[in-house]
Amino acid sequence: EIVMTQSPATLSVSPGERATLSCRASQSVSSNLAWYQQKPGQAPRLLIYGASTRATGIPARFSGSGSGTEFTLTISSLQSEDFAVYYCQQYNNWPPGTFGGGTKVEIK
Amino acid sequence: EVQLVESGGGLVQPGGSLRLSCAASGFTFSSYDMHWVRQATGKGLEWVSAIGTAGDPYYPGSVKGRFTISRENAKNSLYLQMNSLRAGDTAVYYCARGSSLGYFDLWGRGTLVTVSS
Repeated sequence: EIVMTQSPATLSVSPGERATLSCRASQSVSSNLAWYQQKPGQAPRLLIYGASTRATGIPARFSGSGSGTEFTLTISSLQSEDFAVYYCQQYNNWPPGTFGGGTKVEIK
Repeated sequence: EVQLVESGGGLVQPGGSLRLSCAASGFTFSSYDMHWVRQATGKGLEWVSAIGTAGDPYYPGSVKGRFTISRENAKNSLYLQMNSLRAGDTAVYYCARGSSLGYFDLWGRGTLVTVSS
């Protein structure tokens, strides 16, 4: 099973600043990587798939990059509604589509 | 409106059974793979089961032999029969729509399952 590792576990950022989240796969997943956002008490929401393609309705301040084993989610200028937990998920080796442990983006 | 709505969660004793349902609307349900994903309180996401458009089921080792996923396309519904429940199965269970590639592009709001005596 492919293991997904996210870092850092918690990221403290001021509104308007840039946030960079990392996700590493234990073996290559090509570009078969998705990012999800989850706010407290809500279901996850798809942000990015194919490592870099924004899902419908996702603002341009969210961008994804990487391939193989190293991936990055960047939020260019954090808005108040962006403070949440972010998960990466590989779907190259499916099933299962394994998730990372999450990165919590909190207000600094 | 495109949505998924789960139901059927609740409190059950260890060793007991529970059946979750997910009602889909706003899209052609029969054309999509469907999944269950769970999340224990304060923890991350764990894929629990999947069913393909042809009804082919998939499970991780942690639930194989205890959980059964099924679908009823005529009713736009997805189900998860959970038997021999353990305390470790306590979680919010989400119904999710699978894209053709394997990521989840639509999620329900979840239903809470608590396994406790």
